[in-house]
Amino acid sequence: SQQGEEDPQALSIQEGENATMNCSYKTSINNLQWYRQNSGRGLVHLILIRSNEREKHSGRLRVTLDTSKKSSSLLITASRAADTASYFCATESTTSGTYKYIFGTGTRLKVLA
Amino acid sequence: EADIYQTPRYLVIGTGKKITLECSQTMGHDKMYWYQQDPGMELHLIHYSYGVNSTEKGDLSSESTVSRIRTEHFPLTLESARPSHTSQYLCASKPTGTRNTGELFFGEGSRLTVL
Repeated sequence: SQQGEEDPQALSIQEGENATMNCSYKTSINNLQWYRQNSGRGLVHLILIRSNEREKHSGRLRVTLDTSKKSSSLLITASRAADTASYFCATESTTSGTYKYIFGTGTRLKVLA
Repeated sequence: EADIYQTPRYLVIGTGKKITLECSQTMGHDKMYWYQQDPGMELHLIHYSYGVNSTEKGDLSSESTVSRIRTEHFPLTLESARPSHTSQYLCASKPTGTRNTGELFFGEGSRLTVL
């Protein structure tokens, strides 16, 4: 079964609002990453947080990591219509061996103009 | 933008045909990966490679095969395509050593439809 479960599966918000999506995972990890995928395209890396970090910021993105709960959240502030995409978390697991990344089920975000 | 290229972007073929999906990267990355993704769904790792002459099966069983004869090239082959192979195939790469930031670089994907 997949390492990561994301919720919500789909999210629809108005432009300017904040969007929060969550990711849970099952095993110990080296790091957790978030990726964005526009419809029918490849994935683009957004941000990486290491297992010894609790929070990280990059522009309008804020990521938190709680290793005790095996969960992470991605917050996109002041959303724009261009943020409409699917967002995936990915974990590099210490038990599955390094270099392999397990992806979550994804959250489909729609930002209405 | 990542320098990783997949061809073809779209392919529609009949059952029983042999197909090869090409993936090339010009970044000198050692590690390369193939993921399979159904529309709107999660990615499943089907093959990966740590370098030249290294290939491993991923977590999702796949009838496809891969080769890694050159660092920059990681093609995926289906000897006899079936409708169940209809999916999007995503190629990715990752550097090692001092250039390793943990980030995976993805191609644009190859969308395969088998009739």
